Amino acid sequence: DADVTQTPRNRITKTGKRIMLECSQTKGHDRMYWYRQDPGLGLRLIYYSFDVKDINKGEISDGYSVSRQAQAKFSLSLESAIPNQTALYFCATSTSWYNEQFFGPGTRLTVL
Amino acid sequence: TQLLEQSPQFLSIQEGENLTVYCNSSSVFSSLQWYRQEPGEGPVLLVTVVTGGEVKKLKRLTFQFGDARKDSSLHITAAQPGDTGLYLCAGGFRGAQKLVFGQGTRLTINP
Repeated sequence: DADVTQTPRNRITKTGKRIMLECSQTKGHDRMYWYRQDPGLGLRLIYYSFDVKDINKGEISDGYSVSRQAQAKFSLSLESAIPNQTALYFCATSTSWYNEQFFGPGTRLTVL
Repeated sequence: TQLLEQSPQFLSIQEGENLTVYCNSSSVFSSLQWYRQEPGEGPVLLVTVVTGGEVKKLKRLTFQFGDARKDSSLHITAAQPGDTGLYLCAGGFRGAQKLVFGQGTRLTINP
């Protein structure tokens, strides 16, 4: 069984649509993250949360919002998708020991 | 801005050869992690180093943390096609609550 799951795995949408990406984890970690991956740019942090009442912006939060519904669930929303948000999106959890990250399988999002 | 530079960005070699990839910063890390990512999957943690000069081995992979904790290297001995993937380093900085990732080295091992 996967420890960190993401849905959907693939999504194609149109400019201006609202999109929600969901992440669930069974690792029991308090810390959860959303990253975006683009070719040649590595992983860039969008938002992170250290518990249900704690939400923090990452380096590229503009155009995105998040919701931490429970310790195990962290969702990412694009209120009005635009083409340059086409990317791979990864959810991750971490331990408090040096923030070692455990990633989900990713969501490939295409905005037309 | 805390930046991590990885080199080379792309590396393609023959099975059986040795290789080294590098991760550098002008800042001092409190910890440095290496991840491997295969197509269609998320990155998977390989190792965490936290002490200057530290060396860790994982089968044919050797990870070294620089004495000043500003750089790290990953050496693979007798590379195999199964080593193919994107290798990412990630640095933790004292007082920061998150990691900073390098842009990755895409490694291809040809049979």
